[in-house]
This record gives sequence, structure tokens and C-alpha cells, in this order.
Amino acid sequence: SQQGEEDPQALSIQEGENATMNCSYKTSINNLQWYRQNSGRGLVHLILIRSNEREKHSGRLRVTLDTSKKSSSLLITASRAADTASYFCATATHLNNDMRFGAGTRLTVKP
Amino acid sequence: DGGITQSPKYLFRKEGQNVTLSCEQNLNHDAMYWYRQDPGQGLRLIYYSQIVNDFQKGDIAEGYSVSREKKESFPLTVTSAQKNPTAFYLCASTQGADIQYFGAGTRLSVL
Repeated sequence: SQQGEEDPQALSIQEGENATMNCSYKTSINNLQWYRQNSGRGLVHLILIRSNEREKHSGRLRVTLDTSKKSSSLLITASRAADTASYFCATATHLNNDMRFGAGTRLTVKP
Repeated sequence: DGGITQSPKYLFRKEGQNVTLSCEQNLNHDAMYWYRQDPGQGLRLIYYSQIVNDFQKGDIAEGYSVSREKKESFPLTVTSAQKNPTAFYLCASTQGADIQYFGAGTRLSVL
């Protein structure tokens, strides 16, 4: 079963605006990761946040994690047309190493 | 050039035929995974292997089989029992519950 669920399913913004995507999950996790997928390609890892961390930054990316609400958010600041892609959250549990992905948010950044 | 190599990029299956998708990694990772992705959907876990000669079923293992005879190789066979095999198949590897590295994918279609 899928662990993470992203919200919204689709997001369309203008270049330069910020994009925020949310992820909710169901069980206790070891870490949560965000991945990006361009159409028809494999996934590329963006950022990993561990269960004892609350916020992490990488370039224009900011990820937060609220384990009490079992949710995470990905913020992309000053978006560019090249950010157009699908974004997935994935969770790894404490019990085993199998990961579960959500259905993704399809982001469109209009030039 | 390290990474995950999936082949072929495109594959066609005739009714009643078994086909095998190749996945090779030179990252020296212990764990490898197979996911299925349907159009506009997230990733669903088919099988995963955390160590050579051992693998576990994921959420949608029916109609698929795998082997893990070598650390660097994790082939997936789509059997004739899989009645709806048309999808994008992604292989990944990881060391521990950490970042997953993905191949470029194999797109399987039914003739």
C-alpha cells in the first residue's frame, strides 16, 4: 500500500512564484525523502529529512517535517520553467528498508 | 560512470509470453527494488531485495518474479500471469534506508 500522499495532485504557477507541495503519511518513519521525475524518466533524489529533524534546506528547496501530524512539505522558491516535473515523497520505516512512494504532485511552471 | 542501468528502454510482449527486464548497478549497494508506474500515477513496489539470494514481495508481486544471484543484478520477469503488464518499470538501489538511485526505466507494452 502507498504510504505517502501528496497534495495537491497538480499545481500550476508562474515563473518566479513559490511552489508548496505537501505529503502525509500513515506510520512511524525513519526518514522522508522527496524525489523529482521529469516525464518518462527515472526519479532523481532531491532531499532527505530524518525523523529527528524538523527542517532542511538545499538551494531553492526547503523541506519541513512534522512527525506529530505525520506530514511534510516541500517548498520550491523562485520557481523556474525547468522545475516543471512531478514531485514524489517517499517514506522509509523503522522496521524494514522498503520504501513507499506517494502518487506525486505534477508541477507546471509557466514562463 | 556509476549508476543504475536498465535495459531495454522499450519492450514489447506478446500474449502468453514471459519477458525479462534487466537492472544492473555498480554502486555496490546491498538493496535493490522494482517499481511499476502507470500513467499519471505514483510508484508501486513489486519486489525488493536487501541482500544477495534473498528478496521479498512488495505490494503488487502477483504475475512477476525476480532473482538476486549477484549483488549488482536484479532482473524482473513479467510472466504471462500478469494480465495487464503495460506500464513503466523502474529499478532502484540503495544502501540502508537511504537515498534511492533510479535507472532510466523500461516501458513495457503489449502487442
